[in-house]
Amino acid sequence: EDQVTQSPEALRLQEGESSSLNCSYTVSGLRGLFWYRQDPGKGPEFLFTLYSAGEEKEKERLKATLTKKESFLHITAPKPEDSATYLCAVQGPTGANSKLTFGKGITLSVRP
Amino acid sequence: EAQVTQNPRYLITVTGKKLTVTCSQNMNHEYMSWYRQDPGLGLRQIYYSMNVEVTDKGDVPEGYKVSRKEKRNFPLILESPSPNQTSLYFCASSSNGQPQHFGDGTRLSIL
Repeated sequence: EDQVTQSPEALRLQEGESSSLNCSYTVSGLRGLFWYRQDPGKGPEFLFTLYSAGEEKEKERLKATLTKKESFLHITAPKPEDSATYLCAVQGPTGANSKLTFGKGITLSVRP
Repeated sequence: EAQVTQNPRYLITVTGKKLTVTCSQNMNHEYMSWYRQDPGLGLRQIYYSMNVEVTDKGDVPEGYKVSRKEKRNFPLILESPSPNQTSLYFCASSSNGQPQHFGDGTRLSIL
């Protein structure tokens, strides 16, 4: 069974204080690892897909990296508008179902 | 604008009163799915559909039904809702292994 563990559960940063969010996973064959951002009262919003170990993707202040066991979402010089819950999900090799297995999320608060 | 639309956004109802949550997407996606999100449990899949008239159970299907008569619509049906189905529900769609697009959610309270 696919499993995803995110840590820490919550993170409070000062504006400009860089940090990383962790996503550890077990999956029989990784088809893709996804990062989503979720704001209160909204659905998850897609950020990145990573497919193989060593892959990295960047978008503004966010950079996602992938190893064979975990992924990191690095946040450089965060701003208050980066405050949200960040979700990690994996997609296994099952052909018939594109199901995503989600972690419980990391709630990030960035203070001005 | 590409979007997944859910209705209603909020609903308070009573045990046993049948309800339907609608989901519609305008991206011509083959794949659609329903998730529920509960505190401490994260997002869990209820049902999914690979295409019209093709549906299957996810991880937590008990107490739910779905149908896929048209490609754009994927309603979630609660025939006899119970309080343990109080949750935040999300519909999602995708195509060709691309990232799933999510609706803005439906918050159901069943008294």
